[in-house]
Amino acid sequence: AQSVTQLGSHVSVSEGALVLLRCNYSSSVPPYLFWYVQYPNQGLQLLLKYTTGATLVKGINGFEAEFKKSETSFHLTKPSAHMSDAAEYFCAVSDPFSGGYNKLIFGAGTRLAVHP
Amino acid sequence: AAGVIQSPRHLIKEKRETATLKCYPIPRHDTVYWYQQGPGQDPQFLISFYEKMQSDKGSIPDRFSAQQFSDYHSELNMSSLELGDSALYFCASSPRAGGNYGYTFGSGTRLTVV
Repeated sequence: AQSVTQLGSHVSVSEGALVLLRCNYSSSVPPYLFWYVQYPNQGLQLLLKYTTGATLVKGINGFEAEFKKSETSFHLTKPSAHMSDAAEYFCAVSDPFSGGYNKLIFGAGTRLAVHP
Repeated sequence: AAGVIQSPRHLIKEKRETATLKCYPIPRHDTVYWYQQGPGQDPQFLISFYEKMQSDKGSIPDRFSAQQFSDYHSELNMSSLELGDSALYFCASSPRAGGNYGYTFGSGTRLTVV
């Protein structure tokens, strides 16, 4: 079964510093990979996704992620953190071979704090 | 652009009562997914529908049921509510090949059971 591991339930960075949120998946075949952001009391907003093609994916708000098959990883990065980036971030996977009705499996989430 | 609409946004119910949550997918999206997110937890998959048929089932209690209607909207019915059912309930919709085209989530319904 698919699973997602997000290393670090809480990450704290200074404004302007690099943001790195880690995500590893376990799957016998490369799944589709997603990063979602959730602000307090709000829904899930898609940051970016990887399905096929270029392994470096650029998303909204300056975020990007790189799919590394050899490391089964899909880490999320942003060169310079803004205060507005403070939120909960979820990595998620879906199995492209699960019959076309593929649900998302979420990681436990990483809460990003940005301090001045 | 049209998004996934969930209603109500907030719901307060007493133990043992019933609740009905509604989800209106993006036009031309025929697949709907329901997720439950407890306080401080990640979203857990409950159930999904494709073309009005249940397509997958996750950790949905027997007290809950759901269906998708001819206009593709979906309803999650929850009976004999328990305190532990208090959570944020999300609906997401996608075209059939959800992984490739992506999933769009609604803003959620926050259910509080007292």
